[in-house]
Amino acid sequence: GQNIDQPTEMTATEGAIVQINCTYQTSGFNGLFWYQQHAGEAPTFLSYNVLDGLEEKGRFSSFLSRSKGYSYLLLKELQMKDSASYLCAGHDSNYQLIWGAGTKLIIKP
Amino acid sequence: ETGVTQTPRHLVMGMTNKKSLKCEQHLGHNAMYWYKQSAKKPLELMFVYNFKEQTENNSVPSRFSPECPNSSHLFLHLHTLQPEDSALYLCASSQEWGGGTDTQYFGPGTRLTVL
Repeated sequence: GQNIDQPTEMTATEGAIVQINCTYQTSGFNGLFWYQQHAGEAPTFLSYNVLDGLEEKGRFSSFLSRSKGYSYLLLKELQMKDSASYLCAGHDSNYQLIWGAGTKLIIKP
Repeated sequence: ETGVTQTPRHLVMGMTNKKSLKCEQHLGHNAMYWYKQSAKKPLELMFVYNFKEQTENNSVPSRFSPECPNSSHLFLHLHTLQPEDSALYLCASSQEWGGGTDTQYFGPGTRLTVL
């Protein structure tokens, strides 16, 4: 079956760095997405990886290893506004998105 | 208006009611989606429309009925729902279903409570 696994909840300190991991098992693979969702709001697109390696976008970076079925989202210089859920989703061979349950990130002062 | 909008934002209905959720996208996209989001569960894809044609129906009960009159508008008609249907219903759009780098953009959702 198809599956996306990510931790349910993580806690980090303002100004620090946090890494949110995601492992995936999909029928075929056509890329991996990360979305951010604040409570009561729409998920918003953060990043897309289809090739191995690190993609950097300001304070946020996303990494992919296709051979390991593994990705992570790295958040640097954490701010209180980064408190949100982070959703990992993989595109399968039919381009259907397979979603993880999300990681709730709590930032403490 | 920009992006993807959804109305109403909150809806409480009885099991015998009939109601409709509305989604509108202002991004010029050709694909639109309905998702169900329940607490601590992955997003569940319900329906996909590509160029106004329904391409996916992921075994959704018939009490949920989608309608896509044009590429910018999507409706979800609800009737005789069950309490377990209470959830956040998200609408999304993308350039085209099946595109490799196709990114989906979401609306804020309708929080549905079925009594």
